[in-house]
Amino acid sequence: AQSVTQLDSQVPVFEEAPVELRCNYSSSVSVYLFWYVQYPNQGLQLLLKYLSGSTLVKGINGFEAEFNKSQTSFHLRKPSVHISDPAEYFCAVSKQAGTALIFGKGTTLSVSS
Amino acid sequence: NAGVTQTPKFRVLKTGQSMTLLCAQDMNHEYMYWYRQDPGMGLRLIHYSVGEGTTAKGEVPDGYNVSRLKKQNFLLGLESAAPSQTSVYFCASSYVFSYEQYFGPGTRLTVT
Repeated sequence: AQSVTQLDSQVPVFEEAPVELRCNYSSSVSVYLFWYVQYPNQGLQLLLKYLSGSTLVKGINGFEAEFNKSQTSFHLRKPSVHISDPAEYFCAVSKQAGTALIFGKGTTLSVSS
Repeated sequence: NAGVTQTPKFRVLKTGQSMTLLCAQDMNHEYMYWYRQDPGMGLRLIHYSVGEGTTAKGEVPDGYNVSRLKKQNFLLGLESAAPSQTSVYFCASSYVFSYEQYFGPGTRLTVT
């Protein structure tokens, strides 16, 4: 069975500092990878996705992620964190279109000035 | 377009009471899903539907029932609520051949 591990439950950073949120997945077949963001008391919004092609994926709000098949990782990065970025970030994997997403447990990003 | 909407936004139930959560989407998506979100657990799939009149169990289906009588609506029912069902419930939908799911704003349910 597929699983997703988000290695950090909480990540505190200073405003304008770089940040990396780590995600590892387990699968023996092709997977499709996603990062979602959840702002307080809101639903989930897609940040970015990897389906195929370039392993570096750019998303909204200046975030990007790199798919590393050999390390089975899909880490999310932002070069300079903004004061509006605090939220819960979820990594998710799908085995095929139309199937359920398997979510990690989430990483809470907090930003201080 | 409203996207995915959920009704109600909040609800408090007593143990043993029943209720139905409504999810509606206006994107003509074939697939719809119900997830629950618990602290430190991420989102887990309860039930899903691949089309009108069809439903299937997900990872945590016990204590829930669903129905998809119309393509745009997906109902989640709790016949006899238990405190363990206190959670935030999210509905999502997607096209048949798409990997991207669109999420509703969630329903916060408390069972006392």
